[in-house]
Amino acid sequence: ETGVTQTPRHLVMGMTNKKSLKCEQHLGHNAMYWYKQSAKKPLELMFVYSLEERVENNSVPSRFSPECPNSSHLFLHLHTLQPEDSALYLCASSQDSGGNNSPLHFGNGTRLTVT
Amino acid sequence: KNQVEQSPQSLIILEGKNCTLQCNYTVSPFSNLRWYKQDTGRGPVSLTIMTFSENTKSNGRYTATLDADTKQSSLHITASQLSDSASYICVVTVYNNNDMRFGAGTRLTVKP
Repeated sequence: ETGVTQTPRHLVMGMTNKKSLKCEQHLGHNAMYWYKQSAKKPLELMFVYSLEERVENNSVPSRFSPECPNSSHLFLHLHTLQPEDSALYLCASSQDSGGNNSPLHFGNGTRLTVT
Repeated sequence: KNQVEQSPQSLIILEGKNCTLQCNYTVSPFSNLRWYKQDTGRGPVSLTIMTFSENTKSNGRYTATLDADTKQSSLHITASQLSDSASYICVVTVYNNNDMRFGAGTRLTVKP
């Protein structure tokens, strides 16, 4: 069973709604990530946190807002999304963000549909 | 153009058969190359990792190869099982800044 837990598994929201995705890791890792996975496309890195500090933001629209209150929890706050934001959102953790040989441990994702 | 290209995009094989998935990359220099397996409805799970100096790595029925000269990697699956049905993703880590470049994956279906 994965050491990274994401909730909810599925989410349907209207474009005017506000919702949050939650991720929790039980592996004692120092780095956490949000990825977007769209059909037939490579994973897109959205945010990276290392020791609760954001270290990377790949020009993600401001309608996505991350929050990392501690090294075990990561949130993605969503507001006024667009239909093209519909995708699988994957959370991952790793021992640290600078470890070349440290694998990513993924959660099972939240399947988001924006109507 | 993506720096990591995988082929084929999808593949269907019969149970018990072997198959080989390809990954071509342009990332240079790189520190390592990983293959991940992603079951339907699940997150990716690391299968193998190879550094630039390694040319093969096995994990049970999965064998990954790496040719750093031609910038190609392959994942060979032996005696396929129904549980091998999944997407297989190639990921190359850029040397010195730890950025990861993902392929779009190969969707493998194993039929009885």
